[in-house]
Amino acid sequence: DAKTTQPTSMDCAEGRAANLPCNHSTISGNEYVYWYRQIHSQGPQYIIHGLKNNETNEMASLIITEDRKSSTLILPHATLRDTAVYYCIVRAIGGGTASKLTFGTGTRLQVTL
Amino acid sequence: DTGVSQDPRHKITKRGQNVTFRCDPISEHNRLYWYRQTLGQGPEFLTYFQNEAQLEKSRLLSDRFSAERPKGSFSTLEIQRTEQGDSAMYLCASSSSAGGSNQPQHFGDGTRLSIL
Repeated sequence: DAKTTQPTSMDCAEGRAANLPCNHSTISGNEYVYWYRQIHSQGPQYIIHGLKNNETNEMASLIITEDRKSSTLILPHATLRDTAVYYCIVRAIGGGTASKLTFGTGTRLQVTL
Repeated sequence: DTGVSQDPRHKITKRGQNVTFRCDPISEHNRLYWYRQTLGQGPEFLTYFQNEAQLEKSRLLSDRFSAERPKGSFSTLEIQRTEQGDSAMYLCASSSSAGGSNQPQHFGDGTRLSIL
């Protein structure tokens, strides 16, 4: 699976949009971009995933650049409960099997009052 | 709660003892994964089941580790002759193959193992 690069940490004021970047310049055509977050002492929580089109759900929006070499996770109105480590993961799909998730160290997002 | 359930949440044991963890996946999820997470790091893949078949094992899974999923539902992860380095959070995740291989994995809250 392609490697990803994320900033180590970010701050965001409560109520503002949090924009978390991720670089995946070696991504292949059959690789999806997944975002998870992990709040202290809990397991990772799935947020969103996409291949090449922008995606939106009740939690967040995922913007993938046209060349697919980078993406941005957007939390439109951050709250204190969004404070967590956010992982951007590239995962190969296909071949009839489901591959593992390869986590990096993620971005520690701190939402402040 | 219909999420992934793991038991126990915490386990403290002496070095050299055997431990077993249980994972109950989301109902009807046919894929089950085990990961290990140490402090300050992201989770690392250990092994993967599709139904009862163990299809992939990481080189992290030494011969002291064994995982089973006998009826394709719940899974157990056993560690024999535990060592200090086994102290970690052990996470279980499940997913469904229905709808394609891109279906996301959903995680439990893990079992935290501490070796004295």
